[in-house]
Amino acid sequence: TQLLEQSPQFLSIQEGENLTVYCNSSSVFSSLQWYRQEPGEGPVLLVTVVTGGEVKKLKRLTFQFGDARKDSSLHITAAQPGDTGLYLCAGAVNFNKFYFGSGTKLNVKP
Amino acid sequence: DAGVTQSPTHLIKTRGQQVTLRCSPKSGHDTVSWYQQALGQGPQFIFQYYEEEERQRGNFPDRFSGHQFPNYSSELNVNALLLGDSALYLCASSLFTGQSSYNSPLHFGNGTRLTVT
Repeated sequence: TQLLEQSPQFLSIQEGENLTVYCNSSSVFSSLQWYRQEPGEGPVLLVTVVTGGEVKKLKRLTFQFGDARKDSSLHITAAQPGDTGLYLCAGAVNFNKFYFGSGTKLNVKP
Repeated sequence: DAGVTQSPTHLIKTRGQQVTLRCSPKSGHDTVSWYQQALGQGPQFIFQYYEEEERQRGNFPDRFSGHQFPNYSSELNVNALLLGDSALYLCASSLFTGQSSYNSPLHFGNGTRLTVT
């Protein structure tokens, strides 16, 4: 059983479209991190959100932490082929012990 | 500034054998966490080492053990390999900052792909 549920599992869109990925849990987290993983590589951190209701922007990516610190979303505006990859959310419990979601596999077609 | 390095990159073992995977953390980091990532899944937390001791552990059997050395590098050992142990094993390093460690980013290596036949 996954502590964090991500949806959708797969997403295939055209370049220029917008998309949102969701990360949900019944547990409260000290922080939530989003990572992107490309084939053959380890995950790379995109952002850390800590405060309930917090919104962070990273160029075309917008991250939001739910008010109750149980869920998060990642919104990508005008997706590009370079955004293709596996997006993972990870919630922190007990200092820096992180639980990962099962991931959203994004494919952006040119 | 070297990032996290893992060795070997690929490994093929037979059921019942034992395996040792190695990890060197990013310079300046003192904490090493190990994760198992099955195909198409997110990483699952195995355990974490800090100050040469196992500090936290996930839901993995005792067949999985580890060690951290004085230079902060770490090893993951798996005994009595099962087919289900086939996965990508990821090492992540971070800096322990006490109560605010939940804010510390994890820096991952590129993993060791273990295949058990």
